[in-house]
Parts: sequence; structure tokens; C-alpha cells
Amino acid sequence: QLVESGGGLVKTGESLRLSCAASGFSVAEASMHWLRQAPGKGPEWVGRLKSDFEGATVDYAAAVQGRFIMSRDDGDNTVYLQMNSLKSDDTAVYYCASEYCSGNACYWAWFDPWGQGTLVTVSS
Amino acid sequence: ETVLTQSPVTLALSPGERATLFCRASESVSNYLAWYQQKPGQAPRLLIYDAYNRATGIPARFSGSGSQTHFALTISNLEPEDFAIYYCQQRTNWPPTFGGGTTVEIK
Repeated sequence: QLVESGGGLVKTGESLRLSCAASGFSVAEASMHWLRQAPGKGPEWVGRLKSDFEGATVDYAAAVQGRFIMSRDDGDNTVYLQMNSLKSDDTAVYYCASEYCSGNACYWAWFDPWGQGTLVTVSS
Repeated sequence: ETVLTQSPVTLALSPGERATLFCRASESVSNYLAWYQQKPGQAPRLLIYDAYNRATGIPARFSGSGSQTHFALTISNLEPEDFAIYYCQQRTNWPPTFGGGTTVEIK
């Protein structure tokens, strides 16, 4: 299970940190992703933090590269998304998701489960 | 990035009918395509991955087909809980991308 928090209303240029608390599995052992969905649109992939086994490296979408930072606290089993220099285009519901695993196989860019989402609104 | 175009945008059907949704990719994605279902106020849920494999717990009335650039999701006998928005997604070409969605609504 994944539970996001930290969303809210901010102004253009401000920062916000989102949290994603996991239960039932270790975030260090799974590739974790952030996705977002603007009103009336399809989901958009934001970034991923690979598992320790894969080197715990991070990748970002071009739209957020240099502004967003993903990190992890293994003790709290929580993944974070630090969002800086926010723009109006960043307004969306933000979801964290794990890679989908079936049996002993995990699939890095199939997303399941997802959290319930947290709304980020950026206004000028 | 790979653009996924879904059609139709809206599909109006009655319970018990068969629904067929389409997803076209701007370039080949091999068979690395997934389908998700999203209900109002909820997160998307994975239905189909690798074009035709049902995710854990997904009923057999959901089936996927296709390869390369043309894919389809079929719901063989619509149940009331199937009326929702459906998205396709590819993972072959970086970054992963989603389609714009098809809304299946009650006729």
C-alpha cells in the first residue's frame, strides 16, 4: 500500500515536498516512481528511483529535470519528491507507484500499485 | 517521445455489451504496452501488461491484443463496474508515455 501526502497550494517559483509512505514491501527493494495527472489528461511519468539492487539511481522526465529531486528514507520506508521552482504547468494530482511484480518477476515500467494521489496546485 | 493515440474518445454502451478500445503508437513499441482503468477520484489500476497479460486479480473478460503500433483492449461482457476511463501506456521507448484515454460510459 502507498500513501502520499504533502500536496497543497503554492505560488509560482515556490517549493513543495511530497511524501509516499509504503507498507507491505520495502521501497529499497523496488523501483519507485512518481507520476502526475493534470485535470482531464492522461497520466504523465515524472521520475523513478531504482532499487538498491539496480544501483538506486534516479531518472527524471525532461519537463522536471533540474527542478525535481527524488529521494528515499529506508528507515521510514518512504519515498520523497522535492519539487523546486514550481510552474503552473506542474499543477496536477501526483501519484507514487511501484513497479508491478508478479511472482518472482518485476517489470520496471508497469505501474502497480499506485497511491491515492495528492493534489498540487501552482498559482501565480 | 512515443505518442499514444487512443480511440474512440468516448464509447457509449450498455451493460452486457462488448467494448473494444484502440491504442495506436507513433512508433513501434514491440509488445510493451499496458492498459489501465481509472474510476472517478481513484488512481489508475493496471489491467493488462505486455500487450495481452492480465495483471493479478483482473477478470478474464478483459483481454488485450496487438503488437508494434496497433493495440486493442476488449471487455467481453460489460459489468456495471467497468464504466470508467481506460489508458494505454508504453515502456519500450524512453520516457514511458500514456495515451489520452477512452471513456466507457453507460448508454
